[in-house]
Amino acid sequence: EAAVTQSPRNKVAVTGGKVTLSCNQTNNHNNMYWYRQDTGHGLRLIHYSYGAGSTEKGDIPDGYKASRPSQENFSLILELATPSQTSVYFCASGAGEQFFGPGTRLTVL
Amino acid sequence: GDSVTQTEGLVTLTKGLPVMLNCTYQTTYSPFLFWYVQHLNEAPKLLLKSSTDNKRTEHQGFYATLHKSSSSFHLQKSSVQLSDSALYFCALRPNYNVLYFGSGTKLTVEP
Repeated sequence: EAAVTQSPRNKVAVTGGKVTLSCNQTNNHNNMYWYRQDTGHGLRLIHYSYGAGSTEKGDIPDGYKASRPSQENFSLILELATPSQTSVYFCASGAGEQFFGPGTRLTVL
Repeated sequence: GDSVTQTEGLVTLTKGLPVMLNCTYQTTYSPFLFWYVQHLNEAPKLLLKSSTDNKRTEHQGFYATLHKSSSSFHLQKSSVQLSDSALYFCALRPNYNVLYFGSGTKLTVEP
């Protein structure tokens, strides 16, 4: 089964600070994704990648950057965190079927 | 554009009763539909998937049939159990590798 891990699992940040969320997958999937989950909105796509060196904007990319330095790693970067970015963030990998990581709970104060 | 609609935000049922969670979609491409289940404080996991029109697909007692004529992929189970309490997401994959998720339906099963 696909293995996707995320770090940190919980993060408290201050407004205006920089936050980096990391994701690692061990199944050699080309595609990786970052979502945020908020009550009433389901899972919304922030950024995705088709492979090392590639990043694409999803539906809600504003305020977020992404980096895919290798096949295994995909990071989500909040350069200037805001309270509206308080959410649970999920990383996923795969194509037809997506395998999700355990999530990162981010609180921006 | 591509989208998924789940009309019920919250469904509460007594154990042993049947359930149907609604999912309709909009796309101009040939659709691939998914149901994901997310238990409390866990990651979403795939429950069902289908791209075949009018063919029932089943897994873990749940079943769904993709109906392209009505753009629907409703999730059903004949007898819900306490362990079925979870958040259920319908998702659409158009002809490229991006999923569009519905807003989710929280199913609560009571004794």
